[in-house]
Amino acid sequence: AQSVTQLGSHVSVSEGALVLLRCNYSSSVPPYLFWYVQYPNQGLQLLLKYTSAATLVKGINGFEAEFKKSETSFHLTKPSAHMSDAAEYFCAVILRGNNRLAFGKGNQVVVIP
Amino acid sequence: DAGVTQSPTHLIKTRGQQVTLRCSPKSGHDTVSWYQQALGQGPQFIFQYYEEEERQRGNFPDRFSGHQFPNYSSELNVNALLLGDSALYLCASSLPADHEQFFGPGTRLTVL
Repeated sequence: AQSVTQLGSHVSVSEGALVLLRCNYSSSVPPYLFWYVQYPNQGLQLLLKYTSAATLVKGINGFEAEFKKSETSFHLTKPSAHMSDAAEYFCAVILRGNNRLAFGKGNQVVVIP
Repeated sequence: DAGVTQSPTHLIKTRGQQVTLRCSPKSGHDTVSWYQQALGQGPQFIFQYYEEEERQRGNFPDRFSGHQFPNYSSELNVNALLLGDSALYLCASSLPADHEQFFGPGTRLTVL
């Protein structure tokens, strides 16, 4: 069963424009939620995480995400895109009582000058 | 403070061969997880080791096996390689009570 859904494999955004990446999860109990970034030929770097504290989570590089239980969503945003934001972004969950990450298919972000 | 390290960085094998990938966890971490990332896909969980035992396993065949050593480092072994095993193999380490996993740079395996 797919636990995480990310729509739109490729996302193009103009430099300075809003970055919005959508993530929805399927679990009756809110899981732990994560956003990871992957630059070419590198491993995954944690951007931010939700572990049942504040619903608005701030991460590195100006990114933030808001947990909305009613919408089972954890969308990632950044007010102003920078060229260095070009990378692949993965939403992931850890279901309660589990310790394995389940990843979405990812969003390849292209920043247009 | 050294992060998660993996070796080798790249590997080329032929079908039917066997391969061993290695991972050293972040200092202080005792739990190691392995993931397979096929081209254009998100990582898929293979298994997790804690206290030298396999604690959880994903939907991978028995050709995939692992080991954890007393110093918490880990190996991933894949037997009878198939073309479809070509992927980036990622190792992640964590503490058992912490859900944050730290990833290494990965080993790129190509099966010809």
